[in-house]
Amino acid sequence: GQNIDQPTEMTATEGAIVQINCTYQTSGFNGLFWYQQHAGEAPTFLSYNVLDGLEEKGRFSSFLSRSKGYSYLLLKELQMKDSASYLCAPMDSNYQLIWGAGTKLIIKP
Amino acid sequence: GAVVSQHPSWVICKSGTSVKIECRSLDFQATTMFWYRQFPKQSLMLMATSNEGSKATYEQGVEKDKFLINHASLTLSTLTVTSAHPEDSSFYICSVQHPREGQPQHFGDGTRLSIL
Repeated sequence: GQNIDQPTEMTATEGAIVQINCTYQTSGFNGLFWYQQHAGEAPTFLSYNVLDGLEEKGRFSSFLSRSKGYSYLLLKELQMKDSASYLCAPMDSNYQLIWGAGTKLIIKP
Repeated sequence: GAVVSQHPSWVICKSGTSVKIECRSLDFQATTMFWYRQFPKQSLMLMATSNEGSKATYEQGVEKDKFLINHASLTLSTLTVTSAHPEDSSFYICSVQHPREGQPQHFGDGTRLSIL
């Protein structure tokens, strides 16, 4: 079956760095997306990886290893507004996104 | 600016009412749109895939006669919750698939539905 595994909750300090890991199993693979979702709001797109390696976008970077079924999202210089859920969503062979429960990130001052 | 427009943002209505939610793609023509539902503190649940000009594809366990989807144009899909009951109260979100490969799904702002 198809499966996503992310930590349920993480806590980090303002100004620090945090890495959110994601392992996945899908029927086929057409890339992996990371989304941010604030409480009570819809998800917003953060990054996309289809090839192995690191994609950097400002304070956020995302890494992919297809052979390991593994990705991580790295957030630097954490700000209070980064408190949100982070959703790892691989795309399967039907180009459908597979959603897990996400990781709730709590930022403390 | 917004890529997807979803209306209304909030709906509060009596049990037995039918509620229509609209999802518009503002930046590009979308043959495929998605409808999700999310209960508090739970993950996004795909309800159905809306295909322009053809019938929607519903996920297992989603009643197609209760959740009517119409995708009559390349920029508009609607979800109608028929004869809504309190257990249908949830956060409904649409998303639009960009036609180019490797591009993300863009989400509407969601509709919070409360059935009294």
